[in-house]
Parts: sequence; structure tokens; C-alpha cells
Amino acid sequence: GQSLEQPSEVTAVEGAIVQINCTYQTSGFYGLSWYQQHDGGAPTFLSYNALDGLEETGRFSSFLSRSDSYGYLLLQELQMKDSASYFCATPGAAGNKLTFGGGTRVLVKP
Amino acid sequence: NAGVTQTPKFRVLKTGQSMTLLCAQDMNHEYMYWYRQDPGMGLRLIHYSVGEGTTAKGEVPDGYNVSRLKKQNFLLGLESAAPSQTSVYFCASKRRGGEETQYFGPGTRLLVL
Repeated sequence: GQSLEQPSEVTAVEGAIVQINCTYQTSGFYGLSWYQQHDGGAPTFLSYNALDGLEETGRFSSFLSRSDSYGYLLLQELQMKDSASYFCATPGAAGNKLTFGGGTRVLVKP
Repeated sequence: NAGVTQTPKFRVLKTGQSMTLLCAQDMNHEYMYWYRQDPGMGLRLIHYSVGEGTTAKGEVPDGYNVSRLKKQNFLLGLESAAPSQTSVYFCASKRRGGEETQYFGPGTRLLVL
């Protein structure tokens, strides 16, 4: 089976940096994805790490350490519009389906 | 392209009633999924399909059935709705080989009284 653990909530102010951690236990590992979901909206894909290291996409970066079974999403220069839930997810061996973490709610304050 | 669309957007059912949720995608994706999301929680996979005419059970399949008669459509059925099925239902699709990226529909909010 697969399980992913994330903190339930993080609060920060505009302009700050937030790191959302994701630890996983999987039977086999095939990469870590991150999704963003605004209240009342659908999840949307943010980033994917297949290998160890840092992937940068604008203000958002994602990191993976397979030896530590750990990854994180880094949100920089926080904006009010970044208030949302963020989910880590990993595909199974066949790549057919994703298992999602419980999500981290990020609240950005002025 | 419309991407992934879901019908209806919102529905209220009485316990024991049946209904079908429709998902359609115009991206020619092979794989399609149905998830449920309960308040403050993550996404749980109900059923999925890896191609036309095939379906498989996910994490929480009980009380639901699915069909994939056409590549672009994936139907989720509730034969006898229960209050525990009150949730937001999301459909998603992905291309073969695109392990990391699923594209989600806008969701269907279902309330079972």
C-alpha cells in the first residue's frame, strides 16, 4: 500500500516563504506530484519530481529526497491568491493511478 | 478544448434514490478516474478505467458502479444513495504514460438526505 503524510494547515503573511512537507511510505516509488486546489475548485497540477533534487517553476519549487522518503513544496513571495489546499500524490507501480495525501491548507494573511 | 466536464454540477437526492454522474473529456486520454472528496480531506479513488470497455476498483468502490462505453465518457452510478455518499465527486483523466499529471473536472456536489 501507499500512504502520504502532510501537515493539515499552515498560516503565513504575504511575501513570506512557506514549505509544505510530504513524507511517504510506499511499496515501490515512482515520483511525487503536487496539486493545488482553491476552495470550491478542482485540483490542478503544479509540479512533479521523478528524481532527487529541486524543480523550480516560477515562485513554486518542489524537492524530492528518495533516500529520506520525503519531499516538499516551497511557495515563495506568497500572494493572497496562494491561499488554497496543496496535495502531494504518488503514482503506483503501473502508473495507472495516484494516491493523494490528506492535503495542507495554506492561509495567506495580509 | 473544454478539457474535462462533469454533469450535473449539483444534485440533491433522497436516501434510496439512484442517479448517474457523467464525465466527458475531449483530450483523447486513455485513463479516467472518479474520486470523492469529503470536507477537509483528500481525494479518495472510487473507480478508474485504463481504456474503453475496462474498469477497475479503487480505494472506496462500495455503493458505486461505473461504465466506460466510449473513450471520452466515464459514468458513475449510485444505485441506492445513502447519506454517507454526500460528498463532492471529481472526475479526472490522463494520457497513457503521463503518470504525474491528471486533469480534473469542476466537480459535482451531491447531497443525500
